[in-house]
Amino acid sequence: DSGVTQTPKHLITATGQRVTLRCSPRSGDLSVYWYQQSLDQGLQFLIQYYNGEERAKGNILERFSAQQFPDLHSELNLSSLELGDSALYFCASSLHRASGSHNEQFFGPGTRLTVL
Amino acid sequence: AQKVTQAQTEISVVEKEDVTLDCVYETRDTTYYLFWYKQPPSGELVFLIRRNSFDEQNEISGRYSWNFQKSTSSFNFTITASQVVDSAVYFCALSEAEGAQKLVFGQGTRLTINP
Repeated sequence: DSGVTQTPKHLITATGQRVTLRCSPRSGDLSVYWYQQSLDQGLQFLIQYYNGEERAKGNILERFSAQQFPDLHSELNLSSLELGDSALYFCASSLHRASGSHNEQFFGPGTRLTVL
Repeated sequence: AQKVTQAQTEISVVEKEDVTLDCVYETRDTTYYLFWYKQPPSGELVFLIRRNSFDEQNEISGRYSWNFQKSTSSFNFTITASQVVDSAVYFCALSEAEGAQKLVFGQGTRLTINP
């Protein structure tokens, strides 16, 4: 158990809908990352938050957004869903030390999103 | 740009054999970090090891060992005396020191250990 929790575990929805994925980082971790794992794209970085502020963006679609709340949990919002958004979405957290020192990221169990 | 290549898509061996998973990376940074993660059939990603670019010492942890060679930009992972429980997809990842602390993953190697 990594200490990172994600809900829900599975999500089935229809095209055009909007969903919210939730993540709670490990106790003490200030950074939260979101990744998407799909068969054709592999594991791709979406976005990073540090202590409530957006820190970095990857190949995140404009239909997707995220935020990190004061209690450090994070939510990933996916809207106008398309079939191609079906994937496993991971949240990870890490202890954010001084710049240049990259700590290991611990991953949650993932949310499997199926868009029908 | 950062890139990680795991050329072996799938490997299948018999239990107790040794197996090496290859990882080659590209980066323009002189300071960077390399990682290995394991994804068992249950789906979660399990952290195995983190190395920084200044530490080229090989690492051993039980049946697992890692060989980091900057000269060939490789960070290979060897499992000695493999066991069925080692069956999983293994990912190598790279993170550059400057900028975002994102992980750039290779495509993964699916390892199957047959009894």
